[in-house]
Amino acid sequence: AQSVTQLGSHVSVSEGALVLLRCNYSSSVPPYLFWYVQYPNQGLQLLLKYTSAATLVKGINGFEAEFKKSETSFHLTKPSAHMSDAAEYFCAVSRPGGGFKTIFGAGTRLFVKA
Amino acid sequence: SAVISQKPSRDICQRGTSLTIQCQVDSQVTMMFWYRQQPGQSLTLIATANQGSEATYESGFVIDKFPISRPNLTFSTLTVSNMSPEDSSIYLCSVADPANTGELFFGEGSRLTVL
Repeated sequence: AQSVTQLGSHVSVSEGALVLLRCNYSSSVPPYLFWYVQYPNQGLQLLLKYTSAATLVKGINGFEAEFKKSETSFHLTKPSAHMSDAAEYFCAVSRPGGGFKTIFGAGTRLFVKA
Repeated sequence: SAVISQKPSRDICQRGTSLTIQCQVDSQVTMMFWYRQQPGQSLTLIATANQGSEATYESGFVIDKFPISRPNLTFSTLTVSNMSPEDSSIYLCSVADPANTGELFFGEGSRLTVL
């Protein structure tokens, strides 16, 4: 079985500060890992994904994440937060060949202070 | 990529009634999913909508409560039957990337409030 744990339901940073959103996964097979973002009253959109290629993955809007197998982690970072980054962020895992069934973490709401 | 349109975007419903949500995709896709997002919570997979056959439901979800149709590769409906206030949620239609990257594309969701 696969699962995802996001540490911290709320994270608050100042504009220009580092963003770090934590995600740990559990999977019996090498997983596909994703970060999605959800802006208010919208569906989810993909920020970035890891699918067994480079362990450091760059996504949209300056976000990146590093797959660390030894730590079973896939933390999301951005060097400098912008007000427009305020949103809900979901870490997700799926199993290659598993019919694309995707399991989502509980989500982390990012607040950006001026 | 895929563009997904859902209708209605929001609705207020009375207890005991049923509501059907429509999901239209701008291209043919194999894998289509329905998720529920309860207030302030994450996404929970309800079922995989299979074209031409019965949907595959996840644990805790049953066909009588959430009947799903998938008549072709671009369209699906989810019905929420005999609604109660506990069914107040956002219901999201999602499709897997036809390029098999594992990425999911989402509609903007249907926000249901049951009184």
